[in-house]
Amino acid sequence: GESVGLHLPTLSVQEGDNSIINCAYSNSASDYFIWYKQESGKGPQFIIDIRSNMDKRQGQRVTVLLNKTVKHLSLQIAATQPGDSAVYFCAENILGGSARQLTFGSGTQLTVLP
Amino acid sequence: DAGVTQSPTHLIKTRGQHVTLRCSPISGHKSVSWYQQVLGQGPQFIFQYYEKEERGRGNFPDRFSARQFPNYSSELNVNALLLGDSALYLCASSRGLAQETQYFGPGTRLLVL
Repeated sequence: GESVGLHLPTLSVQEGDNSIINCAYSNSASDYFIWYKQESGKGPQFIIDIRSNMDKRQGQRVTVLLNKTVKHLSLQIAATQPGDSAVYFCAENILGGSARQLTFGSGTQLTVLP
Repeated sequence: DAGVTQSPTHLIKTRGQHVTLRCSPISGHKSVSWYQQVLGQGPQFIFQYYEKEERGRGNFPDRFSARQFPNYSSELNVNALLLGDSALYLCASSRGLAQETQYFGPGTRLLVL
């Protein structure tokens, strides 16, 4: 079946370094992708999104890249800070009938080392 | 503006009981979606409501039901609770069906004993 998956369950980076979190998707009809950050005990927090007609989108310290050829997207975090430690999810936003639902991967735990 | 709010924050129930979880969307948002997040996994879609009507349903049994009120708040009901229903239940709101960005509340942590 269709799914959204992540390459690595955990990622550790030194404070100040750049982080790259990868995500693979299999639904070729997916037209919208979202990255969420979830800290312990909290709900997912919207970080950045990208539509399928784009290859790249930048936010504050974050960049999302989309490669439709290989069905892959990545989240780049510049100058990673301790507050960036969290689980990061990519999600497909799929239009099914009249509703849009999110399909999440299992997440990547990012740990920022001092 | 306040974000999505959910109540209660934590809940303990026993098998066979029922539970009602509540969600208030961001002001101006008319769509509410419910997700179940089991520990160590990503959220799984349960329902989406818009203008008081169910617009989408995930692969969950009929023990799960929901409704949306005229003020766009929503309730999720789960009957005949099972141990496997223990999870974080998340509510997300969006402006409408055409607005894809969903913003999540803090969730309700349900423990079934």
